Amino acid sequence: EIVLTQSPGTLSLSPGERATLSCRASQSVSSGYLAWYQQKPGQAPRLLIYGASSRATGIPDRFSGIGSGTDFTLTISRLEPEDFAVYYCQQYGSLLTFGGGTKVEIK
Amino acid sequence: EVQLVQSGAEVKKPGESLKISCKASGYVFASYWIGWVRQMPGKGLEWMGIIYPGDSDSRYSPSFQGQVTISADKSISTAYLQWSSLKASDTAMYYCARVSDQYYFDYWGQGTLVTVSS
Repeated sequence: EIVLTQSPGTLSLSPGERATLSCRASQSVSSGYLAWYQQKPGQAPRLLIYGASSRATGIPDRFSGIGSGTDFTLTISRLEPEDFAVYYCQQYGSLLTFGGGTKVEIK
Repeated sequence: EVQLVQSGAEVKKPGESLKISCKASGYVFASYWIGWVRQMPGKGLEWMGIIYPGDSDSRYSPSFQGQVTISADKSISTAYLQWSSLKASDTAMYYCARVSDQYYFDYWGQGTLVTVSS
């Protein structure tokens, strides 16, 4: 089973700042089968990025993903008030797994 | 428009059985895997398992194998998650989600809160 480790656990930033979230896999994730989700309190997760770098429908271009193999990054170029949330990465290897999440909070 | 509508919140006692549902609409239900994800209070997301309604092929996370049963009825476009004997540690929010062809979850249900308490 591939284990995903997200860092940092919490990111304290101000609106307008850049957020960089990391997701590291214990083994190579094949064919970019890496996705990112956003979850706000009391809501279901929402797909942001799939295939490591493709934005899902309706996702603003301030969200971007990059990476391959074992290292993946989600970047929010300029934080908007609605972006403060928890972010999860997810992979499909032989099984599906999620990372532990990164909370982006207002500084 | 793809929609996944889950059954309502449940309050159960330890040892009781439970089956929660996820009704899909807006796409060909039999043609996409659908999965279940657990979120314990204040914790992260955990993948439980997936099922292909077309032939009922299912896969489980090792953590949940034998603990729950995932099923689907393609005639009514509904997936199910069931327990035969609930434990207090099953208290959580449970989400169903459609699985895309690249095995990410592209559409999510609103969640079903299950509370198990004596």
